[in-house]
Amino acid sequence: DAGVTQSPTHLIKTRGQQVTLRCSPKSGHDTVSWYQQALGQGPQFIFQYYEEEERQRGNFPDRFSGHQFPNYSSELNVNALLLGDSALYLCASSRGLWGSGNTIYFGEGSWLTVV
Amino acid sequence: TQLLEQSPQFLSIQEGENLTVYCNSSSVFSSLQWYRQEPGEGPVLLVTVVTGGEVKKLKRLTFQFGDARKDSSLHITAAQPGDTGLYLCAGARGNAGNMLTFGGGTRLMVKP
Repeated sequence: DAGVTQSPTHLIKTRGQQVTLRCSPKSGHDTVSWYQQALGQGPQFIFQYYEEEERQRGNFPDRFSGHQFPNYSSELNVNALLLGDSALYLCASSRGLWGSGNTIYFGEGSWLTVV
Repeated sequence: TQLLEQSPQFLSIQEGENLTVYCNSSSVFSSLQWYRQEPGEGPVLLVTVVTGGEVKKLKRLTFQFGDARKDSSLHITAAQPGDTGLYLCAGARGNAGNMLTFGGGTRLMVKP
C-alpha cells in the first residue's frame, strides 16, 4: 500500500519562472492538502482539495494555484517565482473532508530552490 | 503569528534524560496531532489526541491533550539518540475540515 507520493523530490528554478509539483494521495484517500515549510519553521497550510474543488485556502497569494484530478491526485502550481518561495512543499492526504481525529499522512515533500 | 506556540524551540540533552515539549494555544482544537520530522523528509504522524484530558502512550513517549483542548504536551522518558529530530504539533478545528495549523516545532538533539 503506497503512501503519499510526491514528485519531483528536488528542483531548482529561476526567479519569475513557473513550477508544477505533483502528488498522489494514499490509497483510499480522497482529500489532498498542500503545505509550505520554510527552513527552520513549521508547515503552513496553502490549500485543500476535495471532489476536484478547492475547499479551503490559507494566506497565500493567487500565484499559488492547484488542481485535483478525478483519480484524487493533485498538482500545485506557483507562478512568477520569488526567492522567498524556496521551501519544502508537502502534500498531505486524508479520507473525507470532515471529522475530528482523521489521520492525515504526509509525503516526503518536494524541495524547491529559487535562484 | 503562530496560533500554536511550541516550547522549547531547541533542546539538547544527554541520552537517558527525560524531557517535555509543550504546545500551547488560545484557540480550541477538535484534535491535535504530533509529528516527528527527519531532515529532508515529510512529517511522520506519532499520535492523534481528540478528547480533552486524553493521555496516550507510545513506548517511551507520553502525549497529553489539555482539558480545554487548547494545549498539549509530549513527554519522552529516557531519551535515546534515535529520538533526535523535529517534533511538530498540529491542531485541527472541527469547522475547518482537515486543515492543520502547525506549531513552529521543537528541534531535539539527544547526545550519546
